[in-house]
Parts: sequence; structure tokens; C-alpha cells
Amino acid sequence: QSALTQPASVSGSPGQSITISCTGTSSDVGSYNLVSWYQQHPGKAPKLMIYEGSKRPSGVSNRFSGSKSGNTASLTISGLQAEDEADYYCCSYAGSIVVFGGGTKLTVL
Amino acid sequence: QVQLQESGPGLVKPSQTLSLTCTVSGGSISSGSYYWSWIRQPAGKGLEWIGRIYTSGSTNYNPSLKSRVTISVDTSKNQFSLKLSSVTAADTAVYYCARERGSGRRFFDYWGQGTLVTVSS
Repeated sequence: QSALTQPASVSGSPGQSITISCTGTSSDVGSYNLVSWYQQHPGKAPKLMIYEGSKRPSGVSNRFSGSKSGNTASLTISGLQAEDEADYYCCSYAGSIVVFGGGTKLTVL
Repeated sequence: QVQLQESGPGLVKPSQTLSLTCTVSGGSISSGSYYWSWIRQPAGKGLEWIGRIYTSGSTNYNPSLKSRVTISVDTSKNQFSLKLSSVTAADTAVYYCARERGSGRRFFDYWGQGTLVTVSS
């Protein structure tokens, strides 16, 4: 099972919106509405930001949203803030196993 | 509030077995529909799922590690454990334990802080 494909880096200015893509296959992203997204700041554990494709846990800003089309899931962050600068990982259920994306470094300019 | 805490040796010699334990507090490891997973992250690299266990004892492992991994659970101690055999330098990483929602939901909602394990002689 290969890792999901994410861009290595994205950047945006404060107030702008950015989108991070996560491409899998018909065996993972395409087959299940079970993509989750995690934010990780340096030296910290990952934090759940989106689950089941588009749902936000309590306490996560509504600036974060998720979607899916075919084998590709996306995370959109609107109204970028300095605190959003972090690494972001997508994750998909793949029929008894789990596969992560390679991660995307978000830089807020 | 559920909390997870990893513990174990920070240094393991090549060819030996890495052993880590995750202690769960703030709730019973046996309650609810949850799986208990191990995930690792080499320095500067991405996350890799290692495997999971349900409190019934059923397990699933990453196919790339399956031959070397054993995950077990001790419900009396509210702990689950990881053993990774025949380690090499490539197994050097921060190891996280995490709670995975079950019942068809499948996401990691609580994570430990992570523990660095270095494989070196």
C-alpha cells in the first residue's frame, strides 16, 4: 500500500486561502469517505483537524474545511493566520489498514 | 479527558527488539468502540501507521512491517504495547500511540506526546 500523495509545500499570505490536495487510489480515498487531516507543529503530536472527509472536531476553527472528489481529498484553510503554519497530513482508511500522506509544509508568508 | 503516554527505552541496539508501552488514562481502554494504534515518524519525515489492536485482542498491521510487529493489550493495566523485532537504523523514529475511533468512523482523536527511539550500537 503506497502513501497518499500530497504536495511537499504550499504557501500563502495572511488572510488568503490555500488548498492542500491528497491523492490516493480506488483502494483507499476513492472507496471510503474516511479521510482525516492532521496538523502538526514542530516537536508536537499531530492534531485532528478534519474527519470523515469534511467534519470538524469540536474546537477546530471553521476556517478549516475538507472535501473529496474521486480519489482526491482536499483540505482548505481560509483566512490564513500565522498560527496555521505547520505540517499537514492526510490519512485514509484502506480496508483494515491505514495509509498516510507524505505531508505538506504550509508556510504563512 | 483521555490521555495517552508512551514509555520504553530510548536506545535499542541493531537486531534487537524495540518494546514500548502506551498507558491510557482518563477512561477505560475497554470501553466504547475504539482501536488502539501505534504510529511512527522518522526525523524530518512523514507519519507511518504501524498497526492497531482492539480490546478483544484482534490486530491489524501495516503489511510492510507485519513480519516484525506484535501489538498486545493489557486491559487490567489500561495499557497496550508494541514490539518490533530485528530493528535497524531505519527504525529510528518518534513513536506515537493513538486512539482510533471504530464503528466505521476511523480517525485518530487522541495521541500521546511521542517518544524518540534511536537504534544504534
